[in-house]
Amino acid sequence: DAKTTQPPSMDCAEGRAANLPCNHSTISGNEYVYWYRQIHSQGPQYIIHGLKNNETNEMASLIITEDRKSSTLILPHATLRDTAVYYCIVRVARGRALTFGSGTRLQVQP
Amino acid sequence: DAEITQSPRHKITETGRQVTLACHQTWNHNNMFWYRQDLGHGLRLIHYSYGVQDTNKGEVSDGYSVSRSNTEDLPLTLESAASSQTSVYFCASSEFRTGDHEQYFGPGTRLTVT
Repeated sequence: DAKTTQPPSMDCAEGRAANLPCNHSTISGNEYVYWYRQIHSQGPQYIIHGLKNNETNEMASLIITEDRKSSTLILPHATLRDTAVYYCIVRVARGRALTFGSGTRLQVQP
Repeated sequence: DAEITQSPRHKITETGRQVTLACHQTWNHNNMFWYRQDLGHGLRLIHYSYGVQDTNKGEVSDGYSVSRSNTEDLPLTLESAASSQTSVYFCASSEFRTGDHEQYFGPGTRLTVT
């Protein structure tokens, strides 16, 4: 699975958009980009995934660059409950376990 | 509602004892995983299973074993607990047939080995 690089921490004001970057310059053509988050001491929670196209769901948007070497997770209106560690993971689909890095600790400020 | 549960949520045991952590999911998922998370670090894969009677070693499998006798359960056994196995343990499951894109995690078991 491709390696990912994320900033260790970020701050965001409540109500503003949170943009979390991820670099995955060695991604292969059949590897997806996944985002999970872990709120303090809870189990990780799936947020979104994508292959080539931008994706949006009720939680977030995922923007993947055309060369697929980087992506950005966007939380459009961050709330205090979005304070968590966010993990960007790259891997093939179907049956593979997840490889977690250190993630980005997002602190949403009131 | 379908869910994934872990028990116990907290466990204190002594060095050398055998300990079993339970994981039960009601989604009928093929895939089940065990991870451990040490303070301030990301999750690391211990063992995983792609179906009944299938088990595979992960990144940090030494000292751990699993067995899969049915779809719903994947118990994790520490054969002889060591202080280095003090950690938070998370179980997860996913469905191969729908692409395995989303893993569902349990609430975790906090294990302390004294």
